Amino acid sequence: DAGITQSPRHKVTETGTPVTLRCHQTENHRYMYWYRQDPGHGLRLIHYSYGVKDTDKGEVSDGYSVSRSKTEDFLLTLESATSSQTSVYFCAISESAGLVAGGPETQYFGPGTRLLVL
Amino acid sequence: GENVEQHPSTLSVQEGDSAVIKCTYSDSASNYFPWYKQELGKRPQLIIDIRSNVGEKKDQRIAVTLNKTAKHFSLHITETQPEDSAVYFCAASLAGANSKLTFGKGITLSVRP
Repeated sequence: DAGITQSPRHKVTETGTPVTLRCHQTENHRYMYWYRQDPGHGLRLIHYSYGVKDTDKGEVSDGYSVSRSKTEDFLLTLESATSSQTSVYFCAISESAGLVAGGPETQYFGPGTRLLVL
Repeated sequence: GENVEQHPSTLSVQEGDSAVIKCTYSDSASNYFPWYKQELGKRPQLIIDIRSNVGEKKDQRIAVTLNKTAKHFSLHITETQPEDSAVYFCAASLAGANSKLTFGKGITLSVRP
């Protein structure tokens, strides 16, 4: 597996509390992504980053914010957790996205974080 | 934006048979089509991908075919084994800077011993 770790791996929290998930990579890849995975919905992009301090919204960004102060770390924050944010969260990395001739590079996924919001 | 669909949501085959999983996409500008396999409780892992400048790609028992005219691509698994049982996701990506993958909802493949 690519050098990607996520922490925590499991978390239980209460509605209304802030939660921060961390993705750490040792590959020095430029692009990092946060997805959520829910039954019947597949993988949906929350936010992504194309460099330090450069981030953009994905398909389901409401209620989430991100930060990337170093190449190796991409943080996902649930500002005020709700039960609808109970999910499995995956981080992914890639070297480029659409800039390489012939198409974007492969995305490699981290091990995931299971979040339960009570 | 891009829309990727996978049908059906489940597929069951007998061990040793072939399995074909199909995906359709909506944006003709998409040029990268990966397939991911996800075992229960694990992360999605890339098993094969194809770019729009080729029509077919093979890697041992798996192959992917692309029909740009019809905007669909398929994963073919031959001589299926119980360890092929998993959820398979297809995805598509538009060309260009900061392009993003759009995933299908996944198909659960069950290989009966």
